[in-house]
Amino acid sequence: NAGVTQTPKFRILKIGQSMTLQCTQDMNHNYMYWYRQDPGMGLKLIYYSVGAGITDKGEVPNGYNVSRSTTEDFPLRLELAAPSQTSVYFCASSYSWVEAFFGQGTRLTVV
Amino acid sequence: AQSVTQLGSHVSVSEGALVLLRCNYSSSVPPYLFWYVQYPNQGLQLLLKYTTGATLVKGINGFEAEFKKSETSFHLTKPSAHMSDAAEYFCAVSVSGGGADGLTFGKGTHLIIQP
Repeated sequence: NAGVTQTPKFRILKIGQSMTLQCTQDMNHNYMYWYRQDPGMGLKLIYYSVGAGITDKGEVPNGYNVSRSTTEDFPLRLELAAPSQTSVYFCASSYSWVEAFFGQGTRLTVV
Repeated sequence: AQSVTQLGSHVSVSEGALVLLRCNYSSSVPPYLFWYVQYPNQGLQLLLKYTTGATLVKGINGFEAEFKKSETSFHLTKPSAHMSDAAEYFCAVSVSGGGADGLTFGKGTHLIIQP
């Protein structure tokens, strides 16, 4: 049972480039989330989804887009990368409030 | 809106000593409260949670936390620190149970264990 899998683990982007952070879970969870973690700032919610075809903005959605075409996958898209998007990105999933399972993270640097 | 304040970005204790990590929350409705641990270059792992019922909750690795509504606190404790406890600890709150609109996290406390 793999849990929540994120790819890639590391990436360096140039300003203005675009990329997709992949996230997949094999626990049949309805709820999925994207957070970003910056040093000394904790985690902030970017987008979340309560099921396939349903997404909503979190606290810091600007510069990002998401889609949820299947229960398993929840990719995060950066269209025009900016230095302010340098961060560690975590995907998580949950069935309910019982527990959120986190992936290992993607460390993104924009130069 | 809810918020979480963790007092002390860094806490240092000696091996074998009591661990106390402080967390205060703000919420206009009864909250669900969580403590997560993050080891270097890892994702977050749930330590324990409070939803309803008993206010003293026990988690993994010997940690426990007590929900005190009157003090709006959810402090994390462990009687005897071990070197393996060195990590980043996050307190989090949800007013929807964490299942719908995610968690609000504190800024984290880095726990340092001195030999």
